[in-house]
Amino acid sequence: QQPVQSPQAVILREGEDAVINCSSSKALYSVHWYRQKHGEAPVFLMILLKGGEQKGHEKISASFNEKKQQSSLYLTASQLSYSGTYFCGTVSSNTGKLIFGQGTTLQVKP
Amino acid sequence: EAGVAQSPRYKIIEKRQSVAFWCNPISGHATLYWYQQILGQGPKLLIQFQNNGVVDDSQLPKDRFSAERLKGVDSTLKIQPAKLEDSAVYLCASSYKSRDEQYFGPGTRLTVT
Repeated sequence: QQPVQSPQAVILREGEDAVINCSSSKALYSVHWYRQKHGEAPVFLMILLKGGEQKGHEKISASFNEKKQQSSLYLTASQLSYSGTYFCGTVSSNTGKLIFGQGTTLQVKP
Repeated sequence: EAGVAQSPRYKIIEKRQSVAFWCNPISGHATLYWYQQILGQGPKLLIQFQNNGVVDDSQLPKDRFSAERLKGVDSTLKIQPAKLEDSAVYLCASSYKSRDEQYFGPGTRLTVT
């Protein structure tokens, strides 16, 4: 079952903050976050595992609520380079398969 | 460290023709994935290999799509015959082991006319 992301799109000014949410109906083993710029491949940002372990870029922060099967990605003091489409991917405890959400498009303006 | 390599980058074919895509994962990565990404959507897993064995191909249209991973390294994905709805970007990704973070290649943009 595909995770649900919200919002679908965000427009920010440089320096503003944004939060992107990801929600699943399945019990999760982990949540992945990727950013994809237009015409390019998705790039790994962060992985959050059941039990609290995290791994990813230092300037990116995220949370994972295991009980609610929800994750949030926090983008603070946004820069023009943050523009792109952000995908969460959830790995269920049962199947171990990564399923991507529909994406959240972020546009940062000067 | 070299990233995931894919070729070709672009391919235009007519419907009912066949096409093949090639992927070389990051050295040492045991798990290899092929995804289909339609414009405006998230990547959809077609097939997952662990070394040279198939772990998951539940969403692979097996009547027209096939994939193999020879010797647990390079992989090819083939479509025969292609349909208009196969127009998409085909992404290859690899990870050290299953459930780890994935690293994507640049993708192949396929247009079926």
